[in-house]
Amino acid sequence: QSALTQPRSVSGSPGQSVTLSCTGTNSDIGGYNYVSWYQQYPGEAPKLLIYDVTKRPSGVPDRISGSKSGNTASLTISGLQVEDEADYYCCSFAGNYNFEVFGTGTKVTVL
Amino acid sequence: QITLKESGPTQVKPTQTLTLTCTFSGFSLSTIGMGVAWIRQPPGKALEWLALIYWDDDKRYRPSLRSRLTIAKDTSKNQVVLTLTNVDPVDTATYYCAHRRPAPYGGPFDYWGQGALVTVSS
Repeated sequence: QSALTQPRSVSGSPGQSVTLSCTGTNSDIGGYNYVSWYQQYPGEAPKLLIYDVTKRPSGVPDRISGSKSGNTASLTISGLQVEDEADYYCCSFAGNYNFEVFGTGTKVTVL
Repeated sequence: QITLKESGPTQVKPTQTLTLTCTFSGFSLSTIGMGVAWIRQPPGKALEWLALIYWDDDKRYRPSLRSRLTIAKDTSKNQVVLTLTNVDPVDTATYYCAHRRPAPYGGPFDYWGQGALVTVSS
């Protein structure tokens, strides 16, 4: 059960857009439309940002969006804000054996 | 309002068995579709899904830890218990329990507990 691959870090200036990638295989991301994204501040529990590839729970701003192409999912943060500086994890359903797999995590830095 | 809270030892010795309890409110694990998962995070590292139990007692485990993990529910107490046998220092992590949004497959983890840090050391 290999973790999904995410870039270690991404940075941007306030107001810019950043896109985080999450690469898997056709057994997880490529095989199902069940990708979710989580934001985690240091010392805190993760918070759900996106589920089912593109859906936002209530309370998550629409400058946060998700997409998928083939075996790669993406999270885009538009209008970057200081409070977006955090770690971000993707997660995908991976079938009835591996079930769930998380990504390696990306640290977003706001310059 | 859904809340979850993990409890258990903060330190265990190598080869011992770790038992963690997740006590939740705001939903019932006897309701169709409901599920509770355990997820851990070693210090400075990524999240790692461990196990999941559904309302119908269906259980799923991380394949690499299947032989060491057991998940169980006590619906009357609104609790889910995770046991991990034969622990090793590499099992040192913050352990989270999380509510899984009902879905046919791949429901997201929409509510999380605060986490419980467990250190494995002699």
